[in-house]
Amino acid sequence: GAVVSQHPSWVICKSGTSVKIECRSLDFQATTMFWYRQFPKQSLMLMATSNEGSKATYEQGVEKDKFLINHASLTLSTLTVTSAHPEDSSFYICSAGRAGANSYEQYFGPGTRLTVT
Amino acid sequence: LAKTTQPISMDSYEGQEVNITCSHNNIATNDYITWYQQFPSQGPRFIIQGYKTKVTNEVASLFIPADRKSSTLSLPRVSLSDTAVYYCLADYGQNFVFGPGTRLSVLP
Repeated sequence: GAVVSQHPSWVICKSGTSVKIECRSLDFQATTMFWYRQFPKQSLMLMATSNEGSKATYEQGVEKDKFLINHASLTLSTLTVTSAHPEDSSFYICSAGRAGANSYEQYFGPGTRLTVT
Repeated sequence: LAKTTQPISMDSYEGQEVNITCSHNNIATNDYITWYQQFPSQGPRFIIQGYKTKVTNEVASLFIPADRKSSTLSLPRVSLSDTAVYYCLADYGQNFVFGPGTRLSVLP
C-alpha cells in the first residue's frame, strides 16, 4: 500500500510557458501533500505544503505566484510552474503524508524531471 | 534554525555492516526521524522511522540516543544493489528538513 504517482515523469517545455505536474495518492487519502525540488547531486528541498481544501504554505524563498499549488481532493495535488525559465529545470518530487498511531510518514512519488529550454 | 547534517559519502564492501549517522540538533520533542533511500532519477524510498531508542525492520535498524540529537541508520550485510544515496529526514514540527544525503558506494 501507500503508492504515490506523478504525471508526467518528464517534460520539456519552452521558456515562458507553463507546466502542470500531478501528484496522486493511489490507495489512501492524503489530507497533506508536500512538494519538493531537487537539483542534481543535491538534497530535496521542501517547496510547499499543500492541505486539501485550503491554500498551500510555501517555504521561504519560494514564489507562490510562480509555483501554483492546488489540492482539490484527498488524492490529488497539482503543481503548476508558470512562465517557466531554464533555472526552473529540476527534479520535482511530491509526497503524500499519512499519520499512523504513533508516527507520521511521507510516501514519495517517482518524481518529474522538468527541462526548460 | 533547523539543520540536518550527515556525511556526504561512504564506501563499503559487500557483506559488511554500514552505519550512517545523522545529526539533528534542534529536533522537537515529539518529532520523528525517518531514513530514505534514493536511486538516480527516482523518488525517495522509505527505509525506517523512529522516535527513540532502537527500531528494527526487515532491512535496517535505527538507533536514536536519549538526547535525540542524532540517529544512526544501520544496514546489515550490504550488497551492490544498496549503492544509493541515503537521506535522513527530521521533522521539526511539520517543518521537514532533509539532510544533504550520504552517497553509499558498495564495492565488490
